[in-house]
Amino acid sequence: DIQMTQSPSSLSASVGDRVIITCRASQGIRNDLGWYQQKPGKAPRRLIYAASSLQSGVPSRFSGRGSGTEFTFTISSLQSEDVATYYCLHHYTYPLTFGGGTRVEIK
Amino acid sequence: EVQLVESGGGLVQPGGSLRLSCAASGFTFSGYWMTWVRQAPGKGLEWVANIREDGREKYHLESLKGRFTVSRDNAKNSLYLQMNTLGAEDTAVYYCARYVVMRQQRGLDYWGQGTLVTVSS
Repeated sequence: DIQMTQSPSSLSASVGDRVIITCRASQGIRNDLGWYQQKPGKAPRRLIYAASSLQSGVPSRFSGRGSGTEFTFTISSLQSEDVATYYCLHHYTYPLTFGGGTRVEIK
Repeated sequence: EVQLVESGGGLVQPGGSLRLSCAASGFTFSGYWMTWVRQAPGKGLEWVANIREDGREKYHLESLKGRFTVSRDNAKNSLYLQMNTLGAEDTAVYYCARYVVMRQQRGLDYWGQGTLVTVSS
């Protein structure tokens, strides 16, 4: 099985800060990765697909990049409404596996 | 508008069974793979199962094989998860999601609101 190691597990940043989250795959997964946002008590929502493509309707401050085993997710200017837990998910092969999640809070 | 609405969750005793349903609307259900994902209280997301558009190809988390079975009824626009021999470790919110398989759009693009399964005596 492919393991997704996500870091950090949590972070606290100020409004307007740049936030970067990383996912490392235990083996190459091309660009078969998405990033998901989950607000407390809500279902997840996809923000990024194919590692770097922005889901329709998602603000442009969210972005992703990477290929192979190293992926990053960036919030260019953190907003209060971005408080959530973020997950990466690979779908290169079965089983699909999520990263452990990154909890983002406002300082 | 795409909508996915899960139902069937609740309190069940250890060793019991439960069948979750997911009613789909707003898109051509028979044209999409579908997925179940679960989340234990305070924990991360865990993929459970995928099923092909016609129901003839299925994938389950290895550790759940033999206990959990995904199925679908395209005539009813519905996805199901049959869960047997439930244990406390199966306590979670269960989400259904639409799975896009086209390579450059692949992933879970729409999710339901989830249904809570609690396994306890």
